[in-house]
Amino acid sequence: GQQLNQSPQSMFIQEGEDVSMNCTSSSIFNTWLWYKQDPGEGPVLLIALYKAGELTSNGRLTAQFGITRKDSFLNISASIPSDVGIYFCAGQLRTGTASKLTFGTGTRLQVTL
Amino acid sequence: DSGVTQTPKHLITATGQRVTLRCSPRSGDLSVYWYQQSLDQGLQFLIQYYNGEERAKGNILERFSAQQFPDLHSELNLSSLELGDSALYFCASSSPGGQGENYGYTFGSGTRLTVV
Repeated sequence: GQQLNQSPQSMFIQEGEDVSMNCTSSSIFNTWLWYKQDPGEGPVLLIALYKAGELTSNGRLTAQFGITRKDSFLNISASIPSDVGIYFCAGQLRTGTASKLTFGTGTRLQVTL
Repeated sequence: DSGVTQTPKHLITATGQRVTLRCSPRSGDLSVYWYQQSLDQGLQFLIQYYNGEERAKGNILERFSAQQFPDLHSELNLSSLELGDSALYFCASSSPGGQGENYGYTFGSGTRLTVV
């Protein structure tokens, strides 16, 4: 099935460092979303972006919806140990009540003290 | 607790068998989505139901089927199971929204299916 191109695939960083990851697609999306998944759990929504060019923050997280509507990035500032997990971007296409969310390949984040 | 309930949490079954996974959406949500996540893989969209009717379809195998009942809970049926069907199966729900509303899906904790 289709997956969005997400990079980097994995990151090892020290506590306090900033993190940046991005996602690209060959298709246009209505909405870009960023999720975090902990082991054995379902993905949890972090940030949702609704308009091309939109820049949105949620605490230490900042994400942007690319102008072309084909890409997005997520930044995490001053990382802490609980940021460990897998981060997924997702692009949403909606037509009326029909909706399809396509996920990226994931970025595995490891934080060392 | 996300509000989306999936049962069972774990399921072990033999090849060739049939299983049913159940999902109760978050209160007020009309849409239910099913996703498959294989080991170390991203999430693959299977199917969406909205208020009892199929609305969108992904790469769902013919051996798999789903339905949404009048009380809005949903079931995913997997038949003639193969080893490769072993995966985490997630259900998510969302509510219809207008401009500016959060369209993000809320996911359940998943059902881990192991086919032996």
